Amino acid sequence: DAGVIQSPRHEVTEMGQEVTLRCKPISGHDYLFWYRQTMMRGLELLIYFNNNVPIDDSGMPEDRFSAKMPNASFSTLKIQPSEPRDSAVYFCASSLFSGRYNEQFFGPGTRLTVL
Amino acid sequence: DQQVKQNSPSLSVQEGRISILNCDYTNSMFDYFLWYKKYPAEGPTFLISISSIKDKNEDGRFTVFLNKSAKHLSLHIVPSQPGDSAVYFCGVMNRDDKIIFGKGTRLHILP
Repeated sequence: DAGVIQSPRHEVTEMGQEVTLRCKPISGHDYLFWYRQTMMRGLELLIYFNNNVPIDDSGMPEDRFSAKMPNASFSTLKIQPSEPRDSAVYFCASSLFSGRYNEQFFGPGTRLTVL
Repeated sequence: DQQVKQNSPSLSVQEGRISILNCDYTNSMFDYFLWYKKYPAEGPTFLISISSIKDKNEDGRFTVFLNKSAKHLSLHIVPSQPGDSAVYFCGVMNRDDKIIFGKGTRLHILP
């Protein structure tokens, strides 16, 4: 299996622009997670899906952030409008089931820079 | 307020010696604990975990210790090898099955 695939790997944009990050989870995995890594806050969970349905979006920082999962093999995280403080590495992860004893497999991340 | 604290942003250890990474948590309801390892330009990968019913779990060179009364866990790596140089994230879980991660500790293994 190719693992979790994320695109783009790097994104540089200007403040105010819309940014869309993409994720393809491991085939057969029912759970998909979006995380953000920053120096100040570490690795924080933004939102997660079960069978394409958003379960918990309490980590989404603002209304500027939205996430969708239109089917089992694709998810997007959108930031509109983007701001410099959104600069971070965004990770997508998937797992077969939820909870303990179910390893989350992370993608390589998208490094976002907002100028 | 941080629920998971990794108070050492970085740690340098001589190759062959023991590396000890520490993690403190605030909520006694957390009952499952994990360590993930991250290399540059890659996503984190699962390393080792421990349930609250245990106080120690060992996997090869890696051992995680849990002190529930102190709300403290640690990861021991013995002996440390150059390939262990990475960022290590401590994570905790409660019954809602979300992982709450700390900020990470960057481990440097010195030759």
